[in-house]
Amino acid sequence: EPEVTQTPSHQVTQMGQEVILRCVPISNHLYFYWYRQILGQKVEFLVSFYNNEISEKSEIFDDQFSVERPDGSNFTLKIRSTKLEDSAMYFCASRRRSPGGQGTSSYNSPLHFGNGTRLTVT
Amino acid sequence: SQQGEEDPQALSIQEGENATMNCSYKTSINNLQWYRQNSGRGLVHLILIRSNEREKHSGRLRVTLDTSKKSSSLLITASRAADTASYFCATDAIKTSGSRLTFGEGTQLTVNP
Repeated sequence: EPEVTQTPSHQVTQMGQEVILRCVPISNHLYFYWYRQILGQKVEFLVSFYNNEISEKSEIFDDQFSVERPDGSNFTLKIRSTKLEDSAMYFCASRRRSPGGQGTSSYNSPLHFGNGTRLTVT
Repeated sequence: SQQGEEDPQALSIQEGENATMNCSYKTSINNLQWYRQNSGRGLVHLILIRSNEREKHSGRLRVTLDTSKKSSSLLITASRAADTASYFCATDAIKTSGSRLTFGEGTQLTVNP
């Protein structure tokens, strides 16, 4: 069964450094997401991406964050200048168009998650 | 506003018993989904229930949805030690395409052998 893959599985970086987290979503999916989970806490939405642009972002997704789909297969999350509080598990997810749906709605289809990148900022 | 608040936060049962987890939410939804997360891993989709459905089954899982009370429950019957994980509900709100799923705090289920 196709799956979402994320690299690296663990990234350690110093405060102030830039990091790029990489994801390869499932190939026929159209909607892409980044979530993060601080240890032991809830899964927080960062951003959603469709048709080569951001469709929604949360208040966490400030100017330090950016996303890109550079080549039609990879989906990246960049943090320009990391802070200690950016330490978390970052999950990429994708989903397809709703089954039998018309238009571009993604309603009623599940998210498929990768196994995450554990980011540690020291 | 917070969406998808689960209770209990933690649940410990014996193998063979049933486990019930509840979820409440605040806004109108297209559907509600339940996910499972093993420690240190990604979330795995379990079941999706649409806003016009009241109950859904998948194997040992039974999900109910009460849109008038804005609540859902996940029942795992005949639990196994391998069911030990965190379980999250997630709401898919009525919004434009590509909208977010909003996850609750999760219930940590421990099934003792």
